[in-house]
Amino acid sequence: ELKVEQNPLFLSMQEGKNYTIYCNYSTTSDRLYWYRQDPGKSLESLFVLLSNGAVKQEGRLMASLDTKARLSTLHITAAVHDLSATYFCAVVSNFGNEKLTFGTGTRLTIIP
Amino acid sequence: GAVVSQHPSWVICKSGTSVKIECRSLDFQATTMFWYRQFPKQSLMLMATSNEGSKATYEQGVEKDKFLINHASLTLSTLTVTSAHPEDSSFYICSAQTGALYEQYFGPGTRLTVT
Repeated sequence: ELKVEQNPLFLSMQEGKNYTIYCNYSTTSDRLYWYRQDPGKSLESLFVLLSNGAVKQEGRLMASLDTKARLSTLHITAAVHDLSATYFCAVVSNFGNEKLTFGTGTRLTIIP
Repeated sequence: GAVVSQHPSWVICKSGTSVKIECRSLDFQATTMFWYRQFPKQSLMLMATSNEGSKATYEQGVEKDKFLINHASLTLSTLTVTSAHPEDSSFYICSAQTGALYEQYFGPGTRLTVT
C-alpha cells in the first residue's frame, strides 16, 4: 500500500524567510504532484514532477524530486502572506491506473 | 482549458434523505473521473474511480450501496449519497482525467451538511 507523508504538518513562518516542506512516499512512482488548497476551496495544481532530479519553479515556490530517495521537496523563498494555504503532495502509484494518493498536507501560515 | 464543474457547491439535507452531486468536464471528455472526500483539516481520500460506461471501482471501506456513482457520459459523473447521515457531512471533490499524462483536473468541491 502506497503511503505518502509530509512534514511538517503545520508551519508558521515570518514573511521574508525561507523554508522547505518534505514529502516522502513508500513505493516507486511515475510522478508526483504538488497542490495548493485555500480554506473552503478545492485544489490548485502547482507542479508535476516526472523524473528523478526534476526541478520546477514558479515564483517563490520551487519543487524537486528524488525518486531514489522517494522524496520531494517544496521550497519557499522569501515567503509572503499570500502563500498562506495548505499544501499537498500526491503520488501516482501505477501508470494507467492513475490513482492519486495524497500526503497529509502542510498548513502554512505566513506571519507579517 | 480543462475546467471541471460541480453542482451544487453546497447542500444541506436532512438525515435519511438522498443527495446527488454532479461533476462535469466542461471543455474536454473524460473517460475516467474520481471522487474524493475531505473531512475538516484532513487530507483528500479517494472514494471511487468512475469509468464511463462501466461500474465504478470503490476503495476499501467505501460502501458502494451508500455512495452510488453513475458515469453516464464522457462529460458527466454523478455521486448520490443515499440515506445520508450526519457523519456523511464532508467536502466532496471530483476530478476528471485527460491528456497524455493522465492528469487530473479538480472540481471546485461540494460541501454537504447533513442535519
